[in-house]
Amino acid sequence: QVQLQESGPGLVKPSETLSLTCAVSGYSISSTYYWAWIRQPPGKGLEWIGSIYHNGNTYYNPSLKSRVTISLDTSKNQFSLKLSSVTAADTAVYYCASYTGGWMAYWGQGTLVTVSS
Amino acid sequence: EIVMTQSPATLSVSPGERATLSCRASQSVSTNLAWYQQKPGQAPRPLIYGASTRATGIPARFSGSGSGTEFTLTISSLQSEDFAVYYCQQYNHWPSVYTFGQGTKLEIK
Repeated sequence: QVQLQESGPGLVKPSETLSLTCAVSGYSISSTYYWAWIRQPPGKGLEWIGSIYHNGNTYYNPSLKSRVTISLDTSKNQFSLKLSSVTAADTAVYYCASYTGGWMAYWGQGTLVTVSS
Repeated sequence: EIVMTQSPATLSVSPGERATLSCRASQSVSTNLAWYQQKPGQAPRPLIYGASTRATGIPARFSGSGSGTEFTLTISSLQSEDFAVYYCQQYNHWPSVYTFGQGTKLEIK
């Protein structure tokens, strides 16, 4: 069973870069899974941010592509999200997830990131 | 971009009754459609994938149907723990793009 746990600052200033990490247990991120970031603004729906395959190939939501970087750290069995030039509109609960078949089979518990000065 | 539209936004149903939730895609997604349940303060939980296959551990009272652009999630006899928000998600062009519906809140009548 794959287990995921997000971590990172809960408060980020406008124009700065949001950085989150997802620690994976129960499975090697070097194996055949996709690893994703999804966010949910308070009281709103879900938005896929991007994904990375175990071989390092990345896929990003076109609406966020210019600001997003997702990477793997195989030595720590974790993957990371960086979102640059944040504004209040980026305030959300950020989830990491994993999957093999296009639907998100495993989810972390989520972490709230607030963008405010 | 494929837009997913869920209806209704809120559905009020009594325990023990049947609930029917709808999801429409702006273009065909074949059967590349998943459903998730989300309770307050929790992560989404996968219920259905491939439009009609229940995920591991999901009770038989949950069923999915549809293909192309029209999909339905049916909960045959509502239990107290089923009152939550439900989202559909298309993955027809995975791994390149995924989109979610805006959600249907299932509340106790």
